[in-house]
Amino acid sequence: SQQGEEDPQALSIQEGENATMNCSYKTSINNLQWYRQNSGRGLVHLILIRSNEREKHSGRLRVTLDTSKKSSSLLITASRAADTASYFCATDAIQGAQKLVFGQGTRLTINP
Amino acid sequence: EAGVAQSPRYKIIEKRQSVAFWCNPISGHATLYWYQQILGQGPKLLIQFQNNGVVDDSQLPKDRFSAERLKGVDSTLKIQPAKLEDSAVYLCASSLYTQGETQYFGPGTRLLVL
Repeated sequence: SQQGEEDPQALSIQEGENATMNCSYKTSINNLQWYRQNSGRGLVHLILIRSNEREKHSGRLRVTLDTSKKSSSLLITASRAADTASYFCATDAIQGAQKLVFGQGTRLTINP
Repeated sequence: EAGVAQSPRYKIIEKRQSVAFWCNPISGHATLYWYQQILGQGPKLLIQFQNNGVVDDSQLPKDRFSAERLKGVDSTLKIQPAKLEDSAVYLCASSLYTQGETQYFGPGTRLLVL
């Protein structure tokens, strides 16, 4: 069963604009992670936010976590063509199976 | 620091044949994962090892899939016999200790079953 679900499934914006992707999940978590996957490649870890944190920054990335709504958002500011990729959230649930569960991903396209 | 290595990168086989994938995790990483990623979906965990012991293999189709991690380092994932629906990318990842930490992924093996 899917724990995290990303929204939208696909997003296309112009270079320089900001991109926002959302992730919703079902059960209480220890932490939530965001990964990027370029076409034909493995996943690259972007950021980890713990359940007691509300916001985290890394370069042009900003992640928020709202545990009351069971949702997270990833904001990429000043997008570049190199940001074109699929972005996945992954959750580490407190109870149940002790494993990361990935969502379906958001396919982001940055148009030059 | 060398990353997670996987081979082969691509494999094409016919249904009912067998295939094996190899993974070498980052040196010193205790936990190793195998994921299956079907086109358009997120990775799905097949099996997780802590050192050379299995932590979770609840989603591994054990009638056809097997995996081992001898000596707690390299790992192999085998499919025998393969089915059409096994066409996917097989990703190996490792982390220092537990599943809640950052995972480091290899480039994956793209399998096509005809």
